[in-house]
Amino acid sequence: EAQVTQNPRYLITVTGKKLTVTCSQNMNHEYMSWYRQDPGLGLRQIYYSMNVEVTDKGDVPEGYKVSRKEKRNFPLILESPSPNQTSLYFCASNIRQGRTEAFFGQGTRLTVV
Amino acid sequence: GEDVEQSLFLSVREGDSSVINCTYTDSSSTYLYWYKQEPGAGLQLLTYIFSNMDMKQDQRLTVLLNKKDKHLSLRIADTQTGDSAIYFCAETQSTNNLFFGTGTRLTVIP
Repeated sequence: EAQVTQNPRYLITVTGKKLTVTCSQNMNHEYMSWYRQDPGLGLRQIYYSMNVEVTDKGDVPEGYKVSRKEKRNFPLILESPSPNQTSLYFCASNIRQGRTEAFFGQGTRLTVV
Repeated sequence: GEDVEQSLFLSVREGDSSVINCTYTDSSSTYLYWYKQEPGAGLQLLTYIFSNMDMKQDQRLTVLLNKKDKHLSLRIADTQTGDSAIYFCAETQSTNNLFFGTGTRLTVIP
């Protein structure tokens, strides 16, 4: 089954404690991206990757890092989480950038206290 | 990112038509999309329209695009309770990145 898998689905953590949210897709897609969803703001892109070892900032990259060492995986790293990063996070993948359907993971609800 | 705006809430009665509106600012938009987000789930593509089209119909869904006014709408005919969800308008432009609107929460009243 074609899918994008994020883990964990739910996470509560404390300010400053590094965390990683994993994302994996089994569709051999080149393009992957991370979004955060906040009430009244819709989805905002954090980072995206056009292929292995190619990543770039989206609209709200501050406080986040990503890596793309393999085509299937695109982890999101919060080196020092802060309460304003409490949000619902989605990973997505496309066959290629733009003009195609984006497949989304189930989301990770992160709370930073 | 570019501005993509939607109303936050819409309520309709079961069996009526729903119309969800979206406005965008970038005239170079190439594709425009409607995604649906059900509670506790990720987004799923409902339909899309290329910028040189003005209408697309797919079963109960009708997408209308007014490129001059940069206005996109999604009409759902015979709205059912299963249509209750958040609907996101999205666009890609010259950068090929996907920009989302704020989402419209559709509530269908039985």
